[in-house]
Amino acid sequence: AQSVSQHNHHVILSEAASLELGCNYSYGGTVNLFWYVQYPGQHLQLLLKYFSGDPLVKGIKGFEAEFIKSKFSFNLRKPSVQWSDTAEYFCAVKGAGANNLFFGTGTRLTVIP
Amino acid sequence: EAGVAQSPRYKIIEKRQSVAFWCNPISGHATLYWYQQILGQGPKLLIQFQNNGVVDDSQLPKDRFSAERLKGVDSTLKIQPAKLEDSAVYLCASSPPSSYNSPLHFGNGTRLTVT
Repeated sequence: AQSVSQHNHHVILSEAASLELGCNYSYGGTVNLFWYVQYPGQHLQLLLKYFSGDPLVKGIKGFEAEFIKSKFSFNLRKPSVQWSDTAEYFCAVKGAGANNLFFGTGTRLTVIP
Repeated sequence: EAGVAQSPRYKIIEKRQSVAFWCNPISGHATLYWYQQILGQGPKLLIQFQNNGVVDDSQLPKDRFSAERLKGVDSTLKIQPAKLEDSAVYLCASSPPSSYNSPLHFGNGTRLTVT
């Protein structure tokens, strides 16, 4: 069965600190991988996605993620966070050609000015 | 483009009552999803429509939950009767016709509290 693990439930950082949020998935096949972000009071928005090709993908607002197939991981990174990055971040996985998008439990990021 | 519209934003009901949520997807999006997000968990798919047909409803508790998308555009999700454990945010999402490689666009959700 497909599953997504996000081990960090709540991360607190100061502005300008570097960020890495972990995401590991379980799926026996080709996958599409996503990071969604939910800012306070707003809807889920796509941050970045990986379908194929270069395993290092760049998204909006300076975020990037690296797909490491051997580790079943798709960690999210940002070199220098801002207060406006305070949000909840969800990793999600979908089998290529499948219907369902499986979400992790989310990581709440709080950035202190 | 206008986003996915959902109403109401909040709903409080007593257990055993019924409730309905409405969703209007982005224009032209053939695929519509309903997700349930319980506090502290990620969204979980309840049902997926392609136009007005059901693609996947394997996770929908059919004894109390129902959903329809009669004209292939907007959709309603109903719970009857509600239980305490149905308290959650109900998210509607849509994606374009080439769904396999298209990201989902989410609405703001309806927060349901069952007392």
